[in-house]
This record gives sequence, C-alpha cells and structure tokens, in this order.
Amino acid sequence: SAVISQKPSRDICQRGTSLTIQCQVDSQVTMMFWYRQQPGQSLTLIATANQGSEATYESGFVIDKFPISRPNLTFSTLTVSNMSPEDSSIYLCSLRTGPTGGFFGPGTRLTVL
Amino acid sequence: GQNIDQPTEMTATEGAIVQINCTYQTSGFNGLFWYQQHAGEAPTFLSYNVLDGLEEKGRFSSFLSRSKGYSYLLLKELQMKDSASYLCAVTNYNTDKLIFGTGTRLQVFP
Repeated sequence: SAVISQKPSRDICQRGTSLTIQCQVDSQVTMMFWYRQQPGQSLTLIATANQGSEATYESGFVIDKFPISRPNLTFSTLTVSNMSPEDSSIYLCSLRTGPTGGFFGPGTRLTVL
Repeated sequence: GQNIDQPTEMTATEGAIVQINCTYQTSGFNGLFWYQQHAGEAPTFLSYNVLDGLEEKGRFSSFLSRSKGYSYLLLKELQMKDSASYLCAVTNYNTDKLIFGTGTRLQVFP
C-alpha cells in the first residue's frame, strides 16, 4: 500500500486569494488524481495529473482556476485560485493501484470566507 | 458521459443485513469499486468487481451485473462502526480514473 500525505490539512482563506495544496506519495506513480468533496457530497474528479505533461481536466474544471503541477513521480500540487466561498470543500489527492483499489490522501479541508 | 446512482441515505439496526445498490451507465466499463468513508476521513477501499458475480470479503460482499449496469454492497452482522458513507465508483478502459457515484450515508442504530 502507498502512503500519501497532504499539506495543509486545513486552512481558512479569504475570498480572492489562492491556496496551493501539496500531495506527497512514498512511491513513484505515473498518474495522480485530484478530487473535490463538497460538504455532504460525494467525490468529484477535478483532474488527472501526469508527470511530464499537462494535467487533464474534467468538465467544469479549468486550468486557470485549478492549476496543477507534477514535477516528479512522487509529488503534485493543486492550486485553488481566486477563491470564493463556493470553493469551500475537502480536496483529496489519489492514486490508483489497479484492481487492488485506490488510495487517498487524508484531504485538505478548505474554508473560504 | 457517466451516470452513477445510489440511494442517498439508509438506516439499519445493529446485527442486521443491509444492501446498498448502485446503478451505472458508462462506456468502456472496466470495473466497479466500493469505498467506505467515515465522517472527516478519506475513503478507504472495500472491494472491486470486474466480472459478473459475487465477491465476498468477511462481513462485506459486493455483486456486479455488467449487463444490467448494477452492483450492490451487502453488509452483514452490522456494527455501529459501520455507520459511514459508502461510495461506488467506476472506471473504464481508456483511463485509470475513478468516477464516483452520489454516495449512500448509512446509519446503524442499536
């Protein structure tokens, strides 16, 4: 199994500012995924982050709002830009390990005032 | 596109059996996952089905019918600690990403 850590674990931010969330994995993985989980909701995929190429965004998510970096096979960042209260969510990074399932980081709980 | 539906909430009694259903519509289906998520925690993997039939793992079993686009998670001998959200997710041949259903919040009462 993989160990995934995220920083920060939580933050309270003012609207109009940006927050960068870091995701570190203890092993090399090709693809990492970023999800959002709004209060009381299920997980929504934001984008797939491949090392060495641009992230692939899902419908409804754009690079200007959620820029992603993937500098190496163990690390990724997601930035939530120009935040509004609607961005208040838990943001989780994830990796897949084939049929044995997927692993999730502990999540970053973001509150935008 | 993909459409994955689950009941929003369910309740059950300690010691009972509960079945949580998941229906899906997706192209290039390549497997269905079930996750458990306790409040304030990340989801944890429960089961994976890619072929039709029942997969049993202790108190938890998962069933898949590909022709019907249907799966269920069966929880036996319910315990209070089983109170959580249960998420089904599907993946397809072209990508390795998981697309999640709406999630089912299960409450177990004594």
